[in-house]
Amino acid sequence: EAQVTQNPRYLITVTGKKLTVTCSQNMNHEYMSWYRQDPGLGLRQIYYSMNVEVTDKGDVPEGYKVSRKEKRNFPLILESPSPNQTSLYFCASSIGGINQPQHFGDGTRLSIL
Amino acid sequence: GENVEQHPSTLSVQEGDSAVIKCTYSDSASNYFPWYKQELGKRPQLIIDIRSNVGEKKDQRIAVTLNKTAKHFSLHITETQPEDSAVYFCAANTGGFKTIFGAGTRLFVKA
Repeated sequence: EAQVTQNPRYLITVTGKKLTVTCSQNMNHEYMSWYRQDPGLGLRQIYYSMNVEVTDKGDVPEGYKVSRKEKRNFPLILESPSPNQTSLYFCASSIGGINQPQHFGDGTRLSIL
Repeated sequence: GENVEQHPSTLSVQEGDSAVIKCTYSDSASNYFPWYKQELGKRPQLIIDIRSNVGEKKDQRIAVTLNKTAKHFSLHITETQPEDSAVYFCAANTGGFKTIFGAGTRLFVKA
């Protein structure tokens, strides 16, 4: 089944403790992206990747890092999480880039205390 | 910077009526405009999209219109049903390879 898989689905952690949210897609998609969703603000793009080893900042990249060493994986790293990063996070992928539909994972709800 | 404005933020209609959601974008280089539906607790899923070389696209009860001159596009849902209740997001790509989403419209369809 074609899908985007995120882990973990839920995480409660404390300020300053490094964490990684994994994202993997099995559709051989070139484009992958991370979003955060906050009430009243819609989905805001954190980082995106056009292909392996090619990543760039979205609209809200501060406090986040990403890497794209393999085509299928695009992990989101919070080196020193803070409470303002408490949010619902979605990973997405598309076959040809930003003019193609994006397929979303099921989301990761992060709570940073 | 680039932005996408979406209105209204909340829309309540009677079952069987039509619903219209409007979005305005700022980047004249945008050429792809998808709409996503997000049910409670679920992931966003594409329902329809339109590209800049087309003015209108229909898929059963759903249609999208695009006015490139005015930089706005709209989602039209006819004969609404209770299962249409969800949050709807418009989006636009940018010349810089980003995707910008609107803030969302919460649609309630009353039976």
